[in-house]
Amino acid sequence: EDQVTQSPEALRLQEGESSSLNCSYTVSGLRGLFWYRQDPGKGPEFLFTLYSAGEEKEKERLKATLTKKESFLHITAPKPEDSATYLCAVRSNFGNEKLTFGTGTRLTIIP
Amino acid sequence: NAGVTQTPKFQVLKTGQSMTLQCAQDMNHNSMYWYRQDPGMGLRLIYYSASEGTTDKGEVPNGYNVSRLNKREFSLRLESAAPSQTSVYFCASSADPDLTNEKLFFGSGTQLSVL
Repeated sequence: EDQVTQSPEALRLQEGESSSLNCSYTVSGLRGLFWYRQDPGKGPEFLFTLYSAGEEKEKERLKATLTKKESFLHITAPKPEDSATYLCAVRSNFGNEKLTFGTGTRLTIIP
Repeated sequence: NAGVTQTPKFQVLKTGQSMTLQCAQDMNHNSMYWYRQDPGMGLRLIYYSASEGTTDKGEVPNGYNVSRLNKREFSLRLESAAPSQTSVYFCASSADPDLTNEKLFFGSGTQLSVL
């Protein structure tokens, strides 16, 4: 069974203080690893897809990286508007259309 | 450009009542999904429709039914609501999971409470 574990559950940073969020996964053949951002009262918003170990993708202050066992979402010099819950999900090469989601990291950036 | 629209945003039901959650997308996407999100459990797939005219069970289908009314609309029905179905429900769509980067577009959710 595919599993996704995200850590930490919650993270508070000062504005400008860089850090990383972790997503550890076990999957029978990784088809893709996904990062989403979710604001309170809203649906998740797509950020990145990573397909193979060593791959990196960037968007503004965010950079996602992937190894064979985990993914990191690096946040450089965050701003208060980066406050949100960040969700990680994996899709297996086997089975149906199912994405397995982690429970998320709730990030708060303090001005 | 509305994207994925869900109605209603909030709903309170009594145990045993029925209701239908509506979802429509205006992006001409082939695939549509229903997820539920519960504290500490992450998003879980209830049902999905890979294309118009097809529907399949996801991880937690018991107590739910779906209808892919046309390419735009995908509804979720609770025939006899139970307190365990108290959750936030999200509809999502994607262009074609097998060929694209499998980017899902989510609606803003329906918060359902079953008393």
